[in-house]
Amino acid sequence: GIQVEQSPPDLILQEGANSTLRCNFSDSVNNLQWFHQNPWGQLINLFYIPSGTKQNGRLSATTVATERYSLLYISSSQTTDSGVYFCAATGAGSYQLTFGKGTKLSVIP
Amino acid sequence: GAGVSQSPRYKVAKRGQDVALRCDPISGHVSLFWYQQALGQGPEFLTYFQNEAQLDKSGLPSDRFFAERPEGSVSTLKIQRTQQEDSAVYLCASSPRTGGAYNSPLHFGNGTRLTVT
Repeated sequence: GIQVEQSPPDLILQEGANSTLRCNFSDSVNNLQWFHQNPWGQLINLFYIPSGTKQNGRLSATTVATERYSLLYISSSQTTDSGVYFCAATGAGSYQLTFGKGTKLSVIP
Repeated sequence: GAGVSQSPRYKVAKRGQDVALRCDPISGHVSLFWYQQALGQGPEFLTYFQNEAQLDKSGLPSDRFFAERPEGSVSTLKIQRTQQEDSAVYLCASSPRTGGAYNSPLHFGNGTRLTVT
């Protein structure tokens, strides 16, 4: 099945800083999603982005399917951005969403 | 409802007890998934339903785990004779199309945190 790797595994930011999270995947994808899991365990959809670029407020994401990676940008980070960010992908011919190990983000005041 | 609903939110079971976890998907969603998330890990696939048909149960860790979706809507994940290693968050997700997450996003519930003592 498809392999999903995320980097960095941990990230500490000062409030107001910007960051880029990376997701590499091993095969062509039909679905790629970014999630934020908050400290209460809720898994929140951020982006459905098998290709192209999307923006939602301070967050944006880009997937370059031909090069098998996706990036999540967080600008002007806030303490409420803390939590774990997961990238998940569905490979060609599959219906399962396979998750990476996540990036744990801590934003400090 | 507006989102995927799971109950109970928390469950504590003594080792050896049976538990049943419920998932109400988004109305009209055809595809339903169960995932297991151990502490500090990403969610791992357990099983997939398309309507009432269980098309894939390859992720179920043992024959103590059983899932059903008899009317193609609500689903129940049952764990028999619980063991400590079953302690995890169990997440349910749904999507509107056949083919699961092939070409449409999955929407997750808040999960059930199971602790086996």
